[in-house]
Amino acid sequence: EAQVTQNPRYLITVTGKKLTVTCSQNMNHEYMSWYRQDPGLGLRQIYYSMNVEVTDKGDVPEGYKVSRKEKRNFPLILESPSPNQTSLYFCASSREWGNTDTQYFGPGTRLTVL
Amino acid sequence: AQSVTQLGSHVSVSEGALVLLRCNYSSSVPPYLFWYVQYPNQGLQLLLKYTSAATLVKGINGFEAEFKKSETSFHLTKPSAHMSDAAEYFCAVSEEDSSYKLIFGSGTRLLVRP
Repeated sequence: EAQVTQNPRYLITVTGKKLTVTCSQNMNHEYMSWYRQDPGLGLRQIYYSMNVEVTDKGDVPEGYKVSRKEKRNFPLILESPSPNQTSLYFCASSREWGNTDTQYFGPGTRLTVL
Repeated sequence: AQSVTQLGSHVSVSEGALVLLRCNYSSSVPPYLFWYVQYPNQGLQLLLKYTSAATLVKGINGFEAEFKKSETSFHLTKPSAHMSDAAEYFCAVSEEDSSYKLIFGSGTRLLVRP
């Protein structure tokens, strides 16, 4: 089954404790992206990647890191999480990096930083 | 930069009634537009997209949207609401630059009354 998977789905952590949220897609997609969803703000892009070893900042990259060492994986790293990073996070992928391509979303990771 | 406005954070309709969810975008050139649906505790799923072909776009689950350049609108409609349509709906526009990111509206939660 074609899908985007994220782990963990739920995470409660404390300020400053490094964490990684994994994202994997099995569709051989070139483009991958991370969004965060906050009430009343919709989804905002954090980082994106157009292919292996090619990443760039989205609208709200502060406090986050990413890597794209393999085509299928695009982990999101929070080196020192803070409470304002409490949010619902979505990973997405699309076949190519084009404006008309459909983005497929993972099920989301709900992160709480205490 | 692009922006998307969804009028009404909550819309309530009776089962069988017309569904109308409003979306306006800011752009001087015709953008690429998307409607996504998010069911509780799930990721986003594409309903339909406009990519400069026909202005009336048909999507899944009986939804359709009409691109109106003169009004910079892309409202989502469904002739007859079903209980299973209760969800949050997001309008999104594809950014014009090379980031290929989606700019989301703040979302509209659709409630369907029996």
